[in-house]
Amino acid sequence: EADIYQTPRYLVIGTGKKITLECSQTMGHDKMYWYQQDPGMELHLIHYSYGVNSTEKGDLSSESTVSRIRTEHFPLTLESARPSHTSQYLCASDRGGTDTQYFGPGTRLTVL
Amino acid sequence: GQNIDQPTEMTATEGAIVQINCTYQTSGFNGLFWYQQHAGEAPTFLSYNVLDGLEEKGRFSSFLSRSKGYSYLLLKELQMKDSASYLCAVKDNTDKLIFGTGTRLQVFP
Repeated sequence: EADIYQTPRYLVIGTGKKITLECSQTMGHDKMYWYQQDPGMELHLIHYSYGVNSTEKGDLSSESTVSRIRTEHFPLTLESARPSHTSQYLCASDRGGTDTQYFGPGTRLTVL
Repeated sequence: GQNIDQPTEMTATEGAIVQINCTYQTSGFNGLFWYQQHAGEAPTFLSYNVLDGLEEKGRFSSFLSRSKGYSYLLLKELQMKDSASYLCAVKDNTDKLIFGTGTRLQVFP
């Protein structure tokens, strides 16, 4: 059972709002990841972190930003949400190497 | 470049066996993972191979041939609840998971 949590699960907001999607894990994993996935489409890596104070951009360009101040916490922020940001955002973590990557339940974001 | 290929869609009948193939070309190899994803939900881990051969977990088995860049997921005794997308993913030498587009499996009664 993976102990990785995301809040909120669903969010509907208006254009221009600042939002933060929360992700936390209690497994002590150093590596954490954010993916974006549109319905019926593949997962795209948008951010990752190899440990505290480490953040990198993923393969898909994103206007979001992330921070990693604590091992267990990896929040994602959108300064000014737009309808094009409507998607599902999935957080994941692992210990690196051949370790299995586990996913949180996801946040479904709708920007009106 | 990095590439994962798997069929887009498959159909099968309840109680049957289905094999979902995956071929890959990646920068480095730290294991091949299979995930199940129901519509609107997060991927859940099914199986993992890092060495050649077959790994069996109940009704699910996964096979890997590193020399051929090939894997398959075998699902036995199919149930209606097995209708989902099955994602093949390879962890590269930077620890990032490279995902295929997923195979949407529909199980019919």
